[in-house]
Amino acid sequence: SQTIHQWPATLVQPVGSPLSLECTVEGTSNPNLYWYRQAAGRGLQLLFYSVGIGQISSEVPQNLSASRPQDRQFILSSKKLLLSDSGFYLCAWSLGTGRNQPQHFGDGTRLSIL
Amino acid sequence: DQQVKQNSPSLSVQEGRISILNCDYTNSMFDYFLWYKKYPAEGPTFLISISSIKDKNEDGRFTVFLNKSAKHLSLHIVPSQPGDSAVYFCAARGSSGGSYIPTFGRGTSLIVHP
Repeated sequence: SQTIHQWPATLVQPVGSPLSLECTVEGTSNPNLYWYRQAAGRGLQLLFYSVGIGQISSEVPQNLSASRPQDRQFILSSKKLLLSDSGFYLCAWSLGTGRNQPQHFGDGTRLSIL
Repeated sequence: DQQVKQNSPSLSVQEGRISILNCDYTNSMFDYFLWYKKYPAEGPTFLISISSIKDKNEDGRFTVFLNKSAKHLSLHIVPSQPGDSAVYFCAARGSSGGSYIPTFGRGTSLIVHP
């Protein structure tokens, strides 16, 4: 069966520090991968998605970036965190972007910026 | 501009009664709709979906109704159980350049009282 791992579960970082969140998927090949953010009182905002190694689509311009160095690895990064980057970050995968493929989410990372 | 709206941030229901969660959308190109359930400190899990060619889909205690003319869908949970207490996200998809990345609502927090 397929599983998705996301870490760390919680993270407290000072403003201006770098960020690296990692997500890995097991049990499937060539998944579509996604990074979402849920800010307080807001819905799920799509940040990045990837349909293959090295292919990243950005939905929201900001100081975050994503990379996919391996088929089942998706990394969210920042060189300098802002206070507004606080939130709950979720990684997800799906078998494809066809309409009948639901997304499967990791347990998320709670990021607090001080 | 919210394309998927869940206007009730919270809903409180007695155990054994029906829970009705509502969702409205504005984009007429959406043709596939999904509901996700999210417990605190966990990622959302896929619950049920419906295609625009149908007006009802049922899975056990969960039924989703779609009213295309009103651009409205609802999730019915009968009978409601305390374990159903969670945040429910409505999501909608339509083809955008061949991609079916869903758009999420802000969620409705359901509390089922014993």
